[in-house]
Amino acid sequence: QVLLVQSGAEVKKPGASVKVSCKVSGYNLRELSLHWVRQAPGKGLEWMGGFDSEHGEQIYAQKFQGRVIMTDDTSTDTAYMELSSLRSDDTAVYYCALISAPPNWFDPWGPGTLVTVSS
Amino acid sequence: EVLMTQSPATLSVSPGERAALSCRASQTVSTNVAWYQQKPGQAPKLLIYATSIRATGIPLRFSGTRSGTEFTLTISDLQSEDFGLYYCQQYNNWPLTFGGGTKVEIK
Repeated sequence: QVLLVQSGAEVKKPGASVKVSCKVSGYNLRELSLHWVRQAPGKGLEWMGGFDSEHGEQIYAQKFQGRVIMTDDTSTDTAYMELSSLRSDDTAVYYCALISAPPNWFDPWGPGTLVTVSS
Repeated sequence: EVLMTQSPATLSVSPGERAALSCRASQTVSTNVAWYQQKPGQAPKLLIYATSIRATGIPLRFSGTRSGTEFTLTISDLQSEDFGLYYCQQYNNWPLTFGGGTKVEIK
């Protein structure tokens, strides 16, 4: 069974960057497609991007193009999502989640990492 | 991008009753729709994929149907643990998109 464990909560100032990690256990990351979804307080779910195994590359939602970088460290089965130029409306819980064969549904999900952007 | 519109925003239901949650896609997405349940402070949990296939361990009272671009999640005989937020998601096209959610609350 695949388990996702995410890094702890972060507090950042506007303009800074944040890097959230997601460690996969029970499977090899290179065999999976890991994606990132965020949820602002009291709001819905928003897909940010992830690994497109069909084309062998990261794919990002247009909204985050140029501001997000998603990487995988297959030696430690850990994925990273780095978001730069943070604004207050980036305050959200960031989830990592697996897709079996993109595009597809998300299962399972990590527990989430709260990122707070505040001056 | 495909817009997923969920209705109603809030559904008040008594335990034991049936709840029907709607999700409309702005264009055809075939049967490529999933449903998730989210409880406060928790990550979403997959309920249904491919319109009507229950994920592992999901009770039979959860069912999904499709009519064109309209998708429905039905919860029969609502239990206390079923109250929470529900989201639909399409995966027919990039970008992957979610509906705005329906809150199922106790009447």
